[in-house]
Amino acid sequence: SQQGEEDPQALSIQEGENATMNCSYKTSINNLQWYRQNSGRGLVHLILIRSNEREKHSGRLRVTLDTSKKSSSLLITASRAADTASYFCATLTNAGGTSYGKLTFGQGTILTVHP
Amino acid sequence: NAGVTQTPKFQVLKTGQSMTLQCAQDMNHEYMSWYRQDPGMGLRLIHYSVGAGITDQGEVPNGYNVSRSTTEDFPLRLLSAAPSQTSVYFCASSYSQSTDTQYFGPGTRLTVL
Repeated sequence: SQQGEEDPQALSIQEGENATMNCSYKTSINNLQWYRQNSGRGLVHLILIRSNEREKHSGRLRVTLDTSKKSSSLLITASRAADTASYFCATLTNAGGTSYGKLTFGQGTILTVHP
Repeated sequence: NAGVTQTPKFQVLKTGQSMTLQCAQDMNHEYMSWYRQDPGMGLRLIHYSVGAGITDQGEVPNGYNVSRSTTEDFPLRLLSAAPSQTSVYFCASSYSQSTDTQYFGPGTRLTVL
């Protein structure tokens, strides 16, 4: 089963509104990352938050992490039509007691921003 | 830098055929990985490598082989293609698996008939 699960699966908003996407995970993590994917393209990294951080900002993006609830949220403020894309969270966990980590992706949230 | 490159962009195979998906990066990244993306399933990790000569299985390794003879290249081999392997395949790399951004290639769209 997926380590990260996103909610909602799809989100439709008007330009200028804020968009919030949530990610829940099951096991302890080293860090959590958010990626964006435009239709038919590869993924692009947006922001990384470490397990000892609670909040991080990057431009119009705000990410929070609650390790006690094993959840994270991505907020996009003042959304634009160009923000239309799929957004994925990914969690980094150690593999089997070694120092090697595995990055596991959620199923994604499809965001549509209407002009 | 070209970043992460993947070839081919599209491929159609018949059931039972074998092929290799190529992935290369010119950023001297140690960590490389292969994912497949299916509708409604997100990205699933197939295999990954933390350096030349070191590979490990991900979430869905069956039917795929990898090797890492150089830092730059991380090919994915389909041994005997099956329709269930129809998917979009992404290669990714990062300097360090524990800290850094994953850089993704443009993907290979594979159809197995």
